[in-house]
Amino acid sequence: VVLTQSPLSLPVTLGQPASISCRPSQSLVDSAGNTFLSWFQQRPGQSPRRLIYMVSNRDSGVPDRFSGSGSGTNFTLKISRMEADDVAIYYCMQGKYWPWTFGQGTKVEIK
Amino acid sequence: EVQLVESGGGLVQPGESLRLSCAASGFTFSSYWMFWVRQAPGKGLEWVANIRQDGSEKNYVDSVKGRFTISRDNAKNSFYLQMNSLRAEDTAIYYCITLSRAIKWCHWGQGTQVTVSS
Repeated sequence: VVLTQSPLSLPVTLGQPASISCRPSQSLVDSAGNTFLSWFQQRPGQSPRRLIYMVSNRDSGVPDRFSGSGSGTNFTLKISRMEADDVAIYYCMQGKYWPWTFGQGTKVEIK
Repeated sequence: EVQLVESGGGLVQPGESLRLSCAASGFTFSSYWMFWVRQAPGKGLEWVANIRQDGSEKNYVDSVKGRFTISRDNAKNSFYLQMNSLRAEDTAIYYCITLSRAIKWCHWGQGTQVTVSS
């Protein structure tokens, strides 16, 4: 399954919102109606960290300025107000079909 | 506190082997699937292999099938990636991960560098 992210580079002014799109090449819904689309953050020099699982559920310790939404083959990660700590590469990931796959990554930086 | 600590990385020549280890602590290791993910220099993330809680199911990405073997020892709270016939394109940071797709559970190790070069 190919995940296409856009944009690949996103300069954002501090305090402003940011939005990243992820489009899978096929549906990620299983027979029980679960959609296995997650979002990960990788800060410079660090291991990745999951932010969102099953489209819109925040992981423990994730600030509520991060939100996920979408359905079908169109998903979005939003940062409501950009902070310096949010400079990172963001990846969407599908967990329905093995091998699970990541999108190409979106580099978010301060404008 | 959940901890995953990888070891075993290094510099090897093409065709050689390495065995990566991941030592887990702070959670009931035998209750979770475990995964290896790699990241080539300056590149994105790639799932490499996974293993069921009891070791009865293992899955691999096509590019490593027949060369890599994932295993685990629940008594030692550890799992492993045996990598044979290494190629230059296997050069990457290898991360061990415990993750559930459907609940708040996802933890990564710090990664171990594998470099395959002559």
